[in-house]
Amino acid sequence: DVKVTQSSRYLVKRTGEKVFLECVQDMDHENMFWYRQDPGLGLRLIYFSYDVKMKEKGDIPEGYSVSREKKERFSLILESASTNQTSMYLCASRGERATYEQYFGPGTRLTVT
Amino acid sequence: SQQGEEDPQALSIQEGENATMNCSYKTSINNLQWYRQNSGRGLVHLILIRSNEREKHSGRLRVTLDTSKKSSSLLITASRAADTASYFCAGFNSGGSNYKLTFGKGTLLTVNP
Repeated sequence: DVKVTQSSRYLVKRTGEKVFLECVQDMDHENMFWYRQDPGLGLRLIYFSYDVKMKEKGDIPEGYSVSREKKERFSLILESASTNQTSMYLCASRGERATYEQYFGPGTRLTVT
Repeated sequence: SQQGEEDPQALSIQEGENATMNCSYKTSINNLQWYRQNSGRGLVHLILIRSNEREKHSGRLRVTLDTSKKSSSLLITASRAADTASYFCAGFNSGGSNYKLTFGKGTLLTVNP
């Protein structure tokens, strides 16, 4: 079974802190994604990566950066956390073909106070 | 941009009844996928239908796709309390970015025992 794991289920940080969210997949997938999910807004894509060291902005990249140094790991970085970044963060991975499904991690609920 | 838009936003039925959720999308797609999310968890892929397919079945799930109307429906037959979850459609368009799905806001299905 494909497994996508995220470093924390719940995280509480203070405004201005630097926050790292880690995601690891074990299926040698080329593509990895970071979404945030908010009530009434659904899932919105923050960043994605189609290869090691490659990244592309999604729909809402402002205030975030990412890092993909190894194929299995994709990190989301909040350089200076703000209260409007309180959200559920979901990581996903997918193989190369367009017909492949995306596999999601369990999510990290981040609260910025 | 929102590729999928689910309807209704919320649906409450009794166990044993059928549940139908609809999805409309704006641009052309290569495939459309349905995902399920249990409360506070990650999304799980349910079924994928290609643009050249009109109907697909998987267990108690039936998906239809009408590309002329840019719409899809997900039918869950003989629903169970364990089907209570949010359901999302997501369109994949390789004509744009090759790497991302665009999700709708979801339908919250409640199946009452």
